Amino acid sequence: EAGVAQSPRYKIIEKRQSVAFWCNPISGHATLYWYQQILGQGPKLLIQFQNNGVVDDSQLPKDRFSAERLKGVDSTLKIQPAKLEDSAVYLCASSLAYSYEQYFGPGTRLTVT
Amino acid sequence: SQQGEEDPQALSIQEGENATMNCSYKTSINNLQWYRQNSGRGLVHLILIRSNEREKHSGRLRVTLDTSKKSSSLLITASRAADTASYFCATGTGANSKLTFGKGITLSVRP
Repeated sequence: EAGVAQSPRYKIIEKRQSVAFWCNPISGHATLYWYQQILGQGPKLLIQFQNNGVVDDSQLPKDRFSAERLKGVDSTLKIQPAKLEDSAVYLCASSLAYSYEQYFGPGTRLTVT
Repeated sequence: SQQGEEDPQALSIQEGENATMNCSYKTSINNLQWYRQNSGRGLVHLILIRSNEREKHSGRLRVTLDTSKKSSSLLITASRAADTASYFCATGTGANSKLTFGKGITLSVRP
């Protein structure tokens, strides 16, 4: 079974630029999550989708972050404009509907200079 | 905000020894999970314990949950160098079982 795929793996941008990350969840997983993991901390949930609907985006900085999951499969997370404090690893995870166990992708390491 | 707090922050042991990691949390939970993260990689789910369970085993892993003390422990027996990683506890709360992660414990197993 293929795991959660993410791209790119690494990205370096200057502040005020925009960036987008892509995630392809495990086939059949209805729930998709985006997390932000700052160095030395645990992942923080940014947004949770159930199929193509948003379940929880309470911690998503909506003035600069946006996410979509068209057709309930792939998802993209965008930051526009980026700030220095956005430097982190962005993790995508997926799970079966109503399952507690989450499967994580390898993450995208973003450096904002 | 981070609900779970792991203890200790770092642990160094010799191969073959047991490793015990603790997690405390503040609010009622549906379940508690432990994940492992190797350097530069995503997280891997290790074990889940529901709020009505007290102990669970999976291979060399044993997890306990004490809801009265709002705490959990993860025991890794007969540790191996390959167990070197960061370990996170995550509490599941709410109807959607939103996961809130702690800051993690860095485990080093010396060969």
